Amino acid sequence: QKEVEQDPGPLSVPEGAIVSLNCTYSNSAFQYFMWYRQYSRKGPELLMYTYSSGNKEDGRFTAQVDKSSKYISLFIRDSQPSDSATYLCAMRMTGTASKLTFGTGTRLQVTL
Amino acid sequence: DGGITQSPKYLFRKEGQNVTLSCEQNLNHDAMYWYRQDPGQGLRLIYYSQIVNDFQKGDIAEGYSVSREKKESFPLTVTSAQKNPTAFYLCASSILAGGYSLSGANVLTFGAGSRLTVL
Repeated sequence: QKEVEQDPGPLSVPEGAIVSLNCTYSNSAFQYFMWYRQYSRKGPELLMYTYSSGNKEDGRFTAQVDKSSKYISLFIRDSQPSDSATYLCAMRMTGTASKLTFGTGTRLQVTL
Repeated sequence: DGGITQSPKYLFRKEGQNVTLSCEQNLNHDAMYWYRQDPGQGLRLIYYSQIVNDFQKGDIAEGYSVSREKKESFPLTVTSAQKNPTAFYLCASSILAGGYSLSGANVLTFGAGSRLTVL
């Protein structure tokens, strides 16, 4: 079993929809949680990061962490065709500065 | 603009040949990393370096080698010992201090990637 599970998709939604992307994990020691966006044939770019449980909002994006359920989510409001990309979750433990564990990524397609 | 430059973007190699992928950063980041990305497997860590002249193996180091002679540069050599080298290779960097990240999150900045195809 992988430490981090993420549905690969593809997930197809119409423009303007609310998108929910999720990851589950098995290691309760993970404390830092990140979402990266990766466009085709490009490197990932950081979208959001949170520490421990709770919510964080940035524009149309909201990241949620539920440590009791070992479940993290990224919500995208008013989705746009430019949001079409692969979204990778990543997480790490405190103190292990050099190692992130990534999910496999969910491919999102926002259609007109 | 600060960032990470990877070259070449596309590379073709014959079986049995070694190839070196370049990674240069001008972000003044302490740590640098190499990841491999394959469909359905996510990013897997090959090697990382927190300081010049020092580096550690990641999860899939076999068949790869690295050097860190300068803070800005972290080249990756894919040797002929790597059994399945065709993949998308990503270089990344981050700030570190004393082995622990000041920011806590150890946020990675990635390059645009190099796609290696073995013929």
